[in-house]
Amino acid sequence: GENVEQHPSTLSVQEGDSAVIKCTYSDSASNYFPWYKQELGKGPQLIIDIRSNVGEKKDQRIAVTLNKTAKHFSLHITETQPEDSAVYFCAATDSWGKFQFGAGTQVVVTP
Amino acid sequence: GAVVSQHPSRVICKSGTSVKIECRSLDFQATTMFWYRQFPKKSLMLMATSNEGSKATYEQGVEKDKFLINHASLTLSTLTVTSAHPEDSSFYICSVLDEQGAGYGYTFGSGTRLTVV
Repeated sequence: GENVEQHPSTLSVQEGDSAVIKCTYSDSASNYFPWYKQELGKGPQLIIDIRSNVGEKKDQRIAVTLNKTAKHFSLHITETQPEDSAVYFCAATDSWGKFQFGAGTQVVVTP
Repeated sequence: GAVVSQHPSRVICKSGTSVKIECRSLDFQATTMFWYRQFPKKSLMLMATSNEGSKATYEQGVEKDKFLINHASLTLSTLTVTSAHPEDSSFYICSVLDEQGAGYGYTFGSGTRLTVV
């Protein structure tokens, strides 16, 4: 089945700097890759997603890149702000269409 | 996107009792819902897939007699933790597949913090 690895597990950045989180997946049939932001005590919120026919997608300060050949995708947050502090999860669909989540990255943005 | 309401947000129960968690799709009809469990500082683990009008599909290692799932309508799925024990304490989250959307459109509920004492 699908195996999604996410790095780093924790990421501390200064306000205004960029943050990059990387994920790799194993199932070549995966074709949908969402990123979720989860604040403490709340459910995950979709922040951006990308499909396998696209290499890059951007939404204001957030961007995602996908390399299907290498089976990895990354989340890029530019001009980080304290409100970006949260746990971020990547996910990939497996052959059955189910999500497999990465282990999560705790992002801390310090003023 | 879809709007998903999950209740309660927090519940404390005594060992041996049962707890019901509701997941509602407020603005569209959801034929498929998912139930996840999340331990502190861990990722989401899929427990089961809830299908409207049919039996839920449980993931390997999940006790179907302990975690009862009912999806009797297109807008409501319930998860009942039966005979709860302290080890069942966790964060439970539902997810809805918005099949009316342009793509996969998974939307998560706000989660339920269950504490069994």
